[in-house]
Amino acid sequence: QKEVEQNSGPLSVPEGAIASLNCTYSDRGSQSFFWYRQYSGKSPELIMFIYSNGDKEDGRFTAQLNKASQYVSLLIRDSQPSDSATYLCALAEYGNKLVFGSGTILRVKS
Amino acid sequence: NAGVMQNPRHLVRRRGQEARLRCSPMKGHSHVYWYRQLPEEGLKFMVYLQKENIIDESGMPKERFSAEFPKEGPSILRIQQVVRGDSAAYFCASSPRSEDGYTFGSGTRLTVV
Repeated sequence: QKEVEQNSGPLSVPEGAIASLNCTYSDRGSQSFFWYRQYSGKSPELIMFIYSNGDKEDGRFTAQLNKASQYVSLLIRDSQPSDSATYLCALAEYGNKLVFGSGTILRVKS
Repeated sequence: NAGVMQNPRHLVRRRGQEARLRCSPMKGHSHVYWYRQLPEEGLKFMVYLQKENIIDESGMPKERFSAEFPKEGPSILRIQQVVRGDSAAYFCASSPRSEDGYTFGSGTRLTVV
């Protein structure tokens, strides 16, 4: 059973700071990783996916993957109060079944 | 281009009744996934379907739960004889290919009273 671990938080950062969200996984053979954002009472929204070691940037978001250390991270630059949400890390199993972590609550304070 | 459509948004059932949750995937998407999110917990995979086929139902409880994705019409998640522990948010997601990321629907919040 593949597992994905996240610190539940909450992670509090001031507005304008960099928020760093981390995720570790148990299966060294995992290849595909996803970050979703979920506002309270809403559905998960895909932010980024990453397949290769290194960094992948999209606007204020940067995903980082280190397969040797089995961790994935998400950096949010210039954090805004609207970024306050639960961030879910997930990996893909065979057939694109996603295994989710329990999520990290992010609070951006103005 | 409409997103993944789920209905109803909220569903209240008494213990012992049946719950039917519907999901219409995005246009052109033939892969449908159902997930359950219990209060204060993460998303848990339930079932993966393509048109007329169940591909992976390893996350489905062995009893009372079933899913289908007929040739015509939406995917249906059916829960028979609901119990209070079935109260959760049920999300459907679709993708055009099995290796692509998902788009989730807005979910159905099931409350069993």
